[in-house]
Amino acid sequence: EVQLLESGGGLVQPGGSLRLSCAASGFTFSSYAMNWVRQAPGKGLEWVSGISDNGGSTYYAESVKGRFTISRDNSKNTLYLQINSLRAEDTAVYYCARDTTAWGFDYWGQGTLVTVSS
Amino acid sequence: QSVLTQPPSVSGAPGQRVTISCTGSSSNIGAGYDVHWYQQLPGTAPKLLIYGNTNRPSGVPDRFSGSKSGTSASLAITGLQAEDEADYYCQSYDSSLSGSTVFGGGTKLTVL
Repeated sequence: EVQLLESGGGLVQPGGSLRLSCAASGFTFSSYAMNWVRQAPGKGLEWVSGISDNGGSTYYAESVKGRFTISRDNSKNTLYLQINSLRAEDTAVYYCARDTTAWGFDYWGQGTLVTVSS
Repeated sequence: QSVLTQPPSVSGAPGQRVTISCTGSSSNIGAGYDVHWYQQLPGTAPKLLIYGNTNRPSGVPDRFSGSKSGTSASLAITGLQAEDEADYYCQSYDSSLSGSTVFGGGTKLTVL
């Protein structure tokens, strides 16, 4: 059974940093691109960042470029998102999602909440 | 403002048919990129509903169908049921954006 389990969210002050993790199981992690998608309270989905299966290519939304860094450790079946210089508008539930490229994001984690507030 | 435009809300009575539109442009849907649809039930993570414009993953009822034409795509739900009440999102890719993955703003479906 495919499972994605995010962790690392929490309350952080503006300007602070967090590292989110997404532990994958039930599939060959190194064969899939992965993504982070966030959802602000009461708002829609916003794609944040993506990474290729081997980690060689990374992609970012303009809204987070320069502040967020996506990475992965295929030996640990884990996806990461380092988020720096946090702003109030970064407050959201952050989901990791498996990317089948041609077939959409077929599995999602349950999400981890990041709250940016003083 | 989302690159892909969806109506904020739609509604229908049980048993009826509703459609949700997803309007893009020549740099995304009109460029030939596939459209995928997701269903998000209250308090849960999104779930893939339609992939590659028209295909249903295993386990998705055939009451759900997708189509694409020109710069737009649509999700149709027939035989509306109470459990269909959810938010629906379209997703595609955009050649004018750095990361290229884009979502629609979402549509809230209310079953009357």
